[in-house]
Amino acid sequence: SQQGEEDPQALSIQEGENATMNCSYKTSINNLQWYRQNSGRGLVHLILIRSNEREKHSGRLRVTLDTSKKSSSLLITASRAADTASYFCATGLGNTGKLIFGQGTTLQVKP
Amino acid sequence: GAGVSQSPSNKVTEKGKDVELRCDPISGHTALYWYRQSLGQGLEFLIYFQGNSAPDKSGLPSDRFSAERTGGSVSTLTIQRTQQEDSAVYLCASSPRSGRIDLYGYTFGSGTRLTVV
Repeated sequence: SQQGEEDPQALSIQEGENATMNCSYKTSINNLQWYRQNSGRGLVHLILIRSNEREKHSGRLRVTLDTSKKSSSLLITASRAADTASYFCATGLGNTGKLIFGQGTTLQVKP
Repeated sequence: GAGVSQSPSNKVTEKGKDVELRCDPISGHTALYWYRQSLGQGLEFLIYFQGNSAPDKSGLPSDRFSAERTGGSVSTLTIQRTQQEDSAVYLCASSPRSGRIDLYGYTFGSGTRLTVV
């Protein structure tokens, strides 16, 4: 079964607005990562947050992690049309390196 | 190489035929992963290799699926007697070392789109 559940499944916003995507997971994790996918092909690593961290920033991205609620959120500020893509959270379990991916959120940013 | 290379990028095969998908990871990356993504779905873990350790095959959906990694570098995913439900994009990823996944994440290839007709 999938470890991660993402919410919403689809999101449509206007350029300049902020986009927030949420991810919930079931088991204890070592880290949580967010990836972006364009056109259904290769994924690009965006940001990683460790289980002992609560918030992390990278450019226009802000990730939070609440291990007590087993949830994470990805915030994209001042969105651009080029941010249109699918976004996936992935949880790292232990030290195996194996990632379990959620179902993804499809983001559409309208110019 | 500069990135993870997968070939072919597209493959159409007849039901019942065998197919081989190739992944060439980033040079020096010791960990290699295969995932499958059906249309509009998330990624399904298939198998991963770490150095010379025995691979984790726990995600392979049936015994028609197998993978090997020669010389700690190139990997081949083989699907025997393909079925229509095998149609998906097969993604390969590599990382420097599973113990450092917390720093680097995965680097993905562009995938092989497999269509079984």
